[in-house]
Amino acid sequence: GNSVTQMEGPVTLSEEAFLTINCTYTATGYPSLFWYVQYPGEGLQLLLKATKADDKGSNKGFEATYRKETTSFHLEKGSVQVSDSAVYFCALSLISNGVGAQKLVFGQGTRLTINP
Amino acid sequence: AAGVIQSPRHLIKEKRETATLKCYPIPRHDTVYWYQQGPGQDPQFLISFYEKMQSDKGSIPDRFSAQQFSDYHSELNMSSLELGDSALYFCASSSGLASGETQYFGPGTRLLVL
Repeated sequence: GNSVTQMEGPVTLSEEAFLTINCTYTATGYPSLFWYVQYPGEGLQLLLKATKADDKGSNKGFEATYRKETTSFHLEKGSVQVSDSAVYFCALSLISNGVGAQKLVFGQGTRLTINP
Repeated sequence: AAGVIQSPRHLIKEKRETATLKCYPIPRHDTVYWYQQGPGQDPQFLISFYEKMQSDKGSIPDRFSAQQFSDYHSELNMSSLELGDSALYFCASSSGLASGETQYFGPGTRLLVL
């Protein structure tokens, strides 16, 4: 089946540290890959996405590259801020039936805390 | 920019009661998805609609039903509520079903079953 595995959390870093959150996937076919972020008490916000191999998604200083050979989509940021504290979800979507519906399959989430 | 609207934001029900959650997608979005997120869990797909027809079904209990109306809003009906139904319920919308289409999430409805 289709699944996403994320780096175990929680992750605690100091401000301006380098961030990596690992994400690997298993999928039948060619998925699109996403990173969503969830701030406390809020819904999920799209952070970035990539729809084909070697694509790089980027937003707000975060980057992730779709690596088909390693089935990975690791999230990176060069210098984190306190405001980046949130839960980060890696997700994939696939065409799942003849109609083309593309439900999201999420990883378990990684809680990130940035200390000043 | 307009976002996905969900109502109510919070709901408290007793066991065996019913609940109706509403979702208003972003204007001109024709696809709606429902997800359930238990405490400390990742969101799990329940059901989706495209152009008012059910397009996919996930781990949705038989006690739940949903539909999408002519104005594209959607309602999730939950009956015979159980304690385990306590969760955050998200609605998301997108424009069409193309591969890689972004789903935009609403703020969620937090359901507590006592």
